[in-house]
Amino acid sequence: NAGVTQTPKFRVLKTGQSMTLLCAQDMNHEYMYWYRQDPGMGLRLIHYSVGEGTTAKGEVPDGYNVSRLKKQNFLLGLESAAPSQTSVYFCASSYLTSGLSEQYFGPGTRLTVT
Amino acid sequence: GENVEQHPSTLSVQEGDSAVIKCTYSDSASNYFPWYKQELGKRPQLIIDIRSNVGEKKDQRIAVTLNKTAKHFSLHITETQPEDSAVYFCAASETGANNLFFGTGTRLTVIP
Repeated sequence: NAGVTQTPKFRVLKTGQSMTLLCAQDMNHEYMYWYRQDPGMGLRLIHYSVGEGTTAKGEVPDGYNVSRLKKQNFLLGLESAAPSQTSVYFCASSYLTSGLSEQYFGPGTRLTVT
Repeated sequence: GENVEQHPSTLSVQEGDSAVIKCTYSDSASNYFPWYKQELGKRPQLIIDIRSNVGEKKDQRIAVTLNKTAKHFSLHITETQPEDSAVYFCAASETGANNLFFGTGTRLTVIP
């Protein structure tokens, strides 16, 4: 049981390049989330999904897109990377919605945009 | 939306002393308050949570208190140990909502 995994672990992009971050969970969780963590800012929700085929915007969605084609996977895309998107990205999943079950986090992806 | 403030941003204590981290929130609809611990380079992990129908909850050396009237909640760690050194995040949410709002974190250092 691997829990929540993320690929890649590290990535360096040039401004304007695109990339996709992959999150996978093997706990049969319905809910999945993408957060970004910046120094002094805590964790902020980018997008989330309440089930396969659904996505919704979080607190800071601009510049990102997501897809949940399979229940176990949640993809975060950056179409045209900007230096402001340099951050550590965490994926999380939960069985039920917030307040009803724990969110389990992945190990994070450190992204640098130059 | 919800605004969660967390203090202090850094905290150093001697091993064996107690540590207290405080958070305030703005949305009176919030009723779920988890605390996460993040060790250096690792993922955040839930250590304790409290719901608004409870004023205090304890789990061994860790306790959380909630004052719903004043909209603040606190994490208390007693008999601190070096392995307690980490960044601690508070968060707030309304049960059933999908957005968990995090505080900015407290870096706790326990000095042996």
